[in-house]
Amino acid sequence: QVHLQESGPGLVKPSETLSLTCTVSGGSINSGSFRWAWIRQPPGKGLEWVGSISYTGTTFYSPSLKSRVTLSIDTSKNQFSLKLTSVTASDTAVFFCARFYGSAMDYWGQGTLVTVSP
Amino acid sequence: DIQMTQSPSSVSASVGDRVTISCRASQDISRWLAWYQQKPGKAPKVLIYAASDLQSGVPSRFSGSGSGTDFTLTISSLQPEDFATYYCQQGKSSSLTFGGGTEVKIK
Repeated sequence: QVHLQESGPGLVKPSETLSLTCTVSGGSINSGSFRWAWIRQPPGKGLEWVGSISYTGTTFYSPSLKSRVTLSIDTSKNQFSLKLTSVTASDTAVFFCARFYGSAMDYWGQGTLVTVSP
Repeated sequence: DIQMTQSPSSVSASVGDRVTISCRASQDISRWLAWYQQKPGKAPKVLIYAASDLQSGVPSRFSGSGSGTDFTLTISSLQPEDFATYYCQQGKSSSLTFGGGTEVKIK
């Protein structure tokens, strides 16, 4: 059974960089069948796709966040990561990592709340 | 960007009711569509992929239909555990997008 777990600071100051890592267990991240995605959800609001990355490091970003987002992947550790720069209060959200296969995200992490506050 | 529009934004229904949720894409996405269920404080769970294929383990009262730009999620007989928020998501473009969500509430 594939399991994903997000990790990283729960509090980030405005203008700083948000960094999160997703650790995948129960399956290899090193597969051309999947992409690995980040999705965020501000409190009380809907889901927003942030970006995706393949095992080769090919990246796809949300147009609205593209200038501030960087995804990376470490196949040796079975992890992929998110960096979001110049954060503001509007970036406060629960961040989920997920596996994207075909047309859907079939495995999700439990999510981690990141609050942007001084 | 492909925009996904869900309707209604919320629906009140009773146990045993048939519930339908619509999702419209701003351009043709063929059958590259998924439906998710999300309960408060939890990660979304995929119900339907490729517009109409039922994810393993999902009850058969859930079904999906449609292709092109118009899609529907149907719950044939609403159960107490189905009260949740439902999202559609297109996977045609490498830039993924979600619908705004439909909250299914107890009447």
